[in-house]
Amino acid sequence: NAGVTQTPKFQVLKTGQSMTLQCAQDMNHNSMYWYRQDPGMGLRLIYYSASEGTTDKGEVPNGYNVSRLNKREFSLRLESAAPSQTSVYFCASTTQRQGIGGYTFGSGTRLTVV
Amino acid sequence: KQEVTQIPAALSVPEGENLVLNCSFTDSAIYNLQWFRQDPGKGLTSLLLIQSSQREQTSGRLNASLDKSSGRSTLYIAASQPGDSATYLCAVRQANQAGTALIFGKGTTLSVSS
Repeated sequence: NAGVTQTPKFQVLKTGQSMTLQCAQDMNHNSMYWYRQDPGMGLRLIYYSASEGTTDKGEVPNGYNVSRLNKREFSLRLESAAPSQTSVYFCASTTQRQGIGGYTFGSGTRLTVV
Repeated sequence: KQEVTQIPAALSVPEGENLVLNCSFTDSAIYNLQWFRQDPGKGLTSLLLIQSSQREQTSGRLNASLDKSSGRSTLYIAASQPGDSATYLCAVRQANQAGTALIFGKGTTLSVSS
């Protein structure tokens, strides 16, 4: 099925460990996004990539890095995980064409940092 | 800065009731507005997408309206069912900013009892 695929679905890390969350879309979308969702805070944007080759910071970028590997793939890296990064992470994509596109979300990665 | 507010935060109704969820936003310069559904522990499922030039969209028992000038949208659910129990999220896509992501409200958690 077409859509946004995230891996892994669940992960437990120790403080200080690193990991990369993977995201891939097969809808030929230009733009991709990483959000985190926390209780009481809603969904907040971490980083986004408006098009292949570009990335920009969102609302809460500290502690994260991203790579737009190609048009399909956008990864999120935690270099030194902290308990404050315990969250559910969602990847999303859309077309930027004249702003008319809706967004498609992946099923999420549930990350716990102990 | 765009802010999206959803009222009420939680709603409990008996099966069969018609209900309205409200969403307001502070900046009317939007491309579109999207309603999502999120089941506990799951990802976001898109319900309806309303372009800025449209007044409403319908899908089955769902009807979403948009009044861009007043910064309001409503999601109307007809003949509610227990299966409609979920969190409903409203999000706007800002216009005139390349690569701008969706800005979310914090959601309305709906519980429909049988």
